[in-house]
Amino acid sequence: QKEVEQNSGPLSVPEGAIASLNCTYSDRGSQSFFWYRQYSGKSPELIMFIYSNGDKEDGRFTAQLNKASQYVSLLIRDSQPSDSATYLCAVGGTYKYIFGTGTRLKVLA
Amino acid sequence: DVKVTQSSRYLVKRTGEKVFLECVQDMDHENMFWYRQDPGLGLRLIYFSYDVKMKEKGDIPEGYSVSREKKERFSLILESASTNQTSMYLCASRAGQGSETQYFGPGTRLLVL
Repeated sequence: QKEVEQNSGPLSVPEGAIASLNCTYSDRGSQSFFWYRQYSGKSPELIMFIYSNGDKEDGRFTAQLNKASQYVSLLIRDSQPSDSATYLCAVGGTYKYIFGTGTRLKVLA
Repeated sequence: DVKVTQSSRYLVKRTGEKVFLECVQDMDHENMFWYRQDPGLGLRLIYFSYDVKMKEKGDIPEGYSVSREKKERFSLILESASTNQTSMYLCASRAGQGSETQYFGPGTRLLVL
């Protein structure tokens, strides 16, 4: 069974700090990786995707991929209370994604 | 903007009823998906479709069926609803090869009594 693992949290960070969210995956052949944000009672919305080893930045968000170690991470700089949500890691296959169970982030004002 | 809509936000049904959940996308996407999401279990794939009239079982297809007669519409059917099918149901769509981003609908919260 191919798996995607995330720490369920909650991860609590003070406002303005960097939040670091991590995800590991088991299928070494995976090629595409996604981070979704999900507010309580809402559907997931895509934050970033990354395909290549290294860092990808978009505003306050940075995705990091290390295929050799089979992990992908999301950094949120200058965290805001509005960033408080559950963050889902997903690993893409030919047709299907495999989702982690999510990490709940709480940004404390 | 990609738009994925679902027929209901909230639904209450009785055990044994036949339930239809509909999903429509407006971006001519080839691939469509049905998930359910439960606390502690994350998103689990029920069925997906990569073309009209094509369907593939996901990880938890038991108790469900699907229909895709038109490209924009993907329906999830609970033939005989049971209480363990109380959940949040999420539809998603994605364009074909070369486009990986998957877009979600707003979700349907189903309660089976």
